[in-house]
Amino acid sequence: DTAVSQTPKYLVTQMGNDKSIKCEQNLGHDTMYWYKQDSKKFLKIMFSYNNKELIINETVPNRFSPKSPDKAHLNLHINSLELGDSAVYFCASSQDSAGLAYGYTFGSGTRLTVV
Amino acid sequence: LAKTTQPISMDSYEGQEVNITCSHNNIATNDYITWYQQFPSQGPRFIIQGYKTKVTNEVASLFIPADRKSSTLSLPRVSLSDTAVYYCLVGDRSGGSYIPTFGRGTSLIVHP
Repeated sequence: DTAVSQTPKYLVTQMGNDKSIKCEQNLGHDTMYWYKQDSKKFLKIMFSYNNKELIINETVPNRFSPKSPDKAHLNLHINSLELGDSAVYFCASSQDSAGLAYGYTFGSGTRLTVV
Repeated sequence: LAKTTQPISMDSYEGQEVNITCSHNNIATNDYITWYQQFPSQGPRFIIQGYKTKVTNEVASLFIPADRKSSTLSLPRVSLSDTAVYYCLVGDRSGGSYIPTFGRGTSLIVHP
């Protein structure tokens, strides 16, 4: 009964390809996020959506495009993948629009490797 | 710009108390301080949150001095299963919106 689930768990692809990562939450939360964690464990927010509306877009190359078909889903599409995109991508959700009251619930991550 | 600083790593032994301090000099007046725990191949997990003074739950305690420029996560009597990366989180409101800003995390290794 996973709260925040993301697929795939692992993704290995070649430079230049386009790929998508899917995320779904069954918590009834209004806000969803994408985070990127690099090899040094630095965790940085990329996007947040509140009720399908983009709230945060943190200096992410426009090759990255989030899409929220409904408030339970937030997918991440990446065009023209580059070596530097290799990282672990985490989806998260929160009950409020900033995660202040009850924190964030994270998925288990998608490890993207670009070769 | 809100920024957090934590030790990169810490070592401890089973049964000891571990204190991890995070500095956040530019924390906003109305911001909370939240700590997360991350095990390998998992997403971060909420541990504890506070605004000032002391907060305690079944997992940890959080100490926040009056100036709120730092906070200390205290794990009582750690076990091997507490080996994880611990993140301190505050918010950055410099651009108007609230931007959750994680530190680089402290890798805690608990030895037998």
